[in-house]
Amino acid sequence: EPEVTQTPSHQVTQMGQEVILRCVPISNHLYFYWYRQILGQKVEFLVSFYNNEISEKSEIFDDQFSVERPDGSNFTLKIRSTKLEDSAMYFCASNLLAGADETQYFGPGTRLLVL
Amino acid sequence: GEDVEQSLFLSVREGDSSVINCTYTDSSSTYLYWYKQEPGAGLQLLTYIFSNMDMKQDQRLTVLLNKKDKHLSLRIADTQTGDSAIYFCAYVNFNKFYFGSGTKLNVKP
Repeated sequence: EPEVTQTPSHQVTQMGQEVILRCVPISNHLYFYWYRQILGQKVEFLVSFYNNEISEKSEIFDDQFSVERPDGSNFTLKIRSTKLEDSAMYFCASNLLAGADETQYFGPGTRLLVL
Repeated sequence: GEDVEQSLFLSVREGDSSVINCTYTDSSSTYLYWYKQEPGAGLQLLTYIFSNMDMKQDQRLTVLLNKKDKHLSLRIADTQTGDSAIYFCAYVNFNKFYFGSGTKLNVKP
């Protein structure tokens, strides 16, 4: 069964450093998403991406964040200058949005720790 | 606004049934979902129910939806120790998923 994959599974970085989190969505999916889950808190929407541009972003997704689909398979989230409060689990998701099926399929997550 | 509420913990004995409850505020979602998160792992789609349905059964899982009360529940029959995880209720609105805080299910042998 096809699945969303994410790399790395864990990343430790120093405050102020740039990180890039990578995702490979399910191959025929058209819509891509990033969510984050701060430890002990809810999973929160960050951004959605379709047709090579951002469809929607939350207020969390400020100028420090950017997303890119650099080729036909990868979808990346970049944090330019990490802050302590960026420590979280980051989930990538994708869906096809065929008809009324909005089901999003989530990757296993990247646990980011900013020191 | 959008909000999803769940109780934080549930403890059951192996072999018993587990019922995890969820209430939500936004009734516009076409589907409502249950995701499972095992320790250190990602979000696994368990099941979902179309908003026009009252019930959906999938092997040991039964989803009940009371749309009038905006109440969703997940029943796990014959709960096993492998069912120990955090269970998230979620709905989607304009392509954004909204999750509850998750219910941590502890299954005692």
